[in-house]
This record gives sequence, C-alpha cells and structure tokens, in this order.
Amino acid sequence: DVKVTQSSRYLVKRTGEKVFLECVQDMDHENMFWYRQDPGLGLRLIYFSYDVKMKEKGDIPEGYSVSREKKERFSLILESASTNQTSMYLCASSLAPRTEAFFGQGTRLTVV
Amino acid sequence: AQTVTQSQPEMSVQEAETVTLSCTYDTSENNYYLFWYKQPPSRQMILVIRQEAYKQQNATENRFSVNFQKAAKSFSLKISDSQLGDTAMYFCAFLDTGVIQGAQKLVFGQGTRLTINP
Repeated sequence: DVKVTQSSRYLVKRTGEKVFLECVQDMDHENMFWYRQDPGLGLRLIYFSYDVKMKEKGDIPEGYSVSREKKERFSLILESASTNQTSMYLCASSLAPRTEAFFGQGTRLTVV
Repeated sequence: AQTVTQSQPEMSVQEAETVTLSCTYDTSENNYYLFWYKQPPSRQMILVIRQEAYKQQNATENRFSVNFQKAAKSFSLKISDSQLGDTAMYFCAFLDTGVIQGAQKLVFGQGTRLTINP
C-alpha cells in the first residue's frame, strides 16, 4: 500500500515563527501536493511539485514556500507564521499522469 | 481556472436509503478526470470513485455510482443502501493536467458533510 506520512498530527506554533511541515511518500510518485482545509472552503491547493526541485504555485501560495530536494519528501514552509494560517494541512502524492492522489493523515496547525 | 462547486454543505439520511451528492465544475478542457473522495472522522482521505471524461459510461464501484453529464458539467455521486460507515465529508475533485508535461493539479470542491442515521 502507498503510504504518505506527515511529520506531525497536531502542532502549535507562535506568531512569527518559521514552521516546517514535512511529508514523505514511499511509492516513488512524481507529483506531490500541499493543501489546506478549512470549513466551508474545502481543500485549497497551496503548492504542488511534479519532479525534484520543480514546483508550481497553487491557488493560495501567499505566505508559504516549499522545498523538494528529494523525490520522496515535500516540505511546506511558513516563513513567518500568522494566526490566519491556523488550519488543517494535507499532503498528497500521485504517480503522474492522471492517477488518483494518496493523502497523509493531515496536520492540524494552530498559530497563537 | 477550473472551479468545482458542491452546493450542499450538509446532508442527512437514514440507513439503507439512497442519497445523491451534487457537484458541478467549470472547465474549457475536453479530456479530464473527476473524482469523489471521502474523509471520515479519522481525517484520512480515501478515493471513492473516478470518472474519465472521454468515457460516456458512468463509473460504478459497488454501492457507489456517478451520474456524469459532460455537457452540463455535472458529476453527482449516488450512494445506494447507505451504511453508518458512509458518514463522512465527501469531496468532488477535478484533475487539471495543465500545460507543463507531467504536472497535474487536483482541484477540490467545498465538500458535503454526509450523516447516515441509524
């Protein structure tokens, strides 16, 4: 089975901190995604990557950056966390092209 | 940009009933993929069913089936003989293959919270 692992299930950070959310997949997938999930808004795409060191902005990239130095790992970085970044963050991966995405268990981030 | 709309924030039915969740999308593409994902209280997103736009036949997976109306850009999910374990958030998603070779962008709707009552 495909496994997508997010480093933390719950995280509490202070305003202004630099925050790293890590995601690792074990199936050699080319595509990896970061979403945030908020009630009533569904999943909104922050960034995605289709190869090592290749990244594309999603619909809401402001305040975030990403890193993909190795194929299996895709990191989401909050440069200076703010309270409006309190949310559920979901990582996903898929084998390109046109295949289903597999998701991690999510990280609930609270910025205080 | 592609958009996906789920107009039913919440639905509730009795066990064993049939329920239909609605989804509409907007795209100028001709070939694309549509998905329904399920997110139970455990938060783990699970693929329910997939439809390829070039296939006219509606996809089915056991008790789950879709009504794909390409001209109307509609993609509804029907759950037959609903079970307590079907209680979850359901998300409709559109796969945009994009302009970059190999890149694909998966866009989600707002979700429908479905409750199956005993």
